[in-house]
Amino acid sequence: EPEVTQTPSHQVTQMGQEVILRCVPISNHLYFYWYRQILGQKVEFLVSFYNNEISEKSEIFDDQFSVERPDGSNFTLKIRSTKLEDSAMYFCASRGRQGSIQYFGAGTRLSVL
Amino acid sequence: GESVGLHLPTLSVQEGDNSIINCAYSNSASDYFIWYKQESGKGPQFIIDIRSNMDKRQGQRVTVLLNKTVKHLSLQIAATQPGDSAVYFCAENKGAAGNKLTFGGGTRVLVKP
Repeated sequence: EPEVTQTPSHQVTQMGQEVILRCVPISNHLYFYWYRQILGQKVEFLVSFYNNEISEKSEIFDDQFSVERPDGSNFTLKIRSTKLEDSAMYFCASRGRQGSIQYFGAGTRLSVL
Repeated sequence: GESVGLHLPTLSVQEGDNSIINCAYSNSASDYFIWYKQESGKGPQFIIDIRSNMDKRQGQRVTVLLNKTVKHLSLQIAATQPGDSAVYFCAENKGAAGNKLTFGGGTRVLVKP
């Protein structure tokens, strides 16, 4: 069964450092998303991406965040200068043209020290 | 149920019994709703979805009920199994299907053997 894959599963970084979280969406999907989940809290929307551009972003997704689809398979989330409060699980999701279901990856746990 | 911070509402159910998980949504304009299951260390896994023009939808051992009058969504799991132990989230989509999802706080289901 096709699945969304995310790497790494756990990323530890120092405050102020840049991190790149990577995702490989399901191959024939066209819509891509990033969400995050702070420990014990709700899953929160960060950004959606379609046709090589951001279609919607939340208040959380400030200038420190960026997304990119550098090739035909990867979808990345970059945080330029990490803060302690960026520590969370980051989930990538994708959906196909016909369906509305967003399929999620297993997530990357980001720990900012 | 909805959660605040670290305190997820928990539903304990005997193996073989039926489970009912409730969710209140906030936006009357939402037209698409999804239930996700999240096991420890994994990403949200799609269970079932329903559009606002329906009141009920059934899947394999699961049924989703939508009451638009009171903005209430429920997930019924028949013959609950140990593998059903997880946190269950409802999510709503505002506007066009497939756009950003707004998640509820989650309910933890514990299945007792």
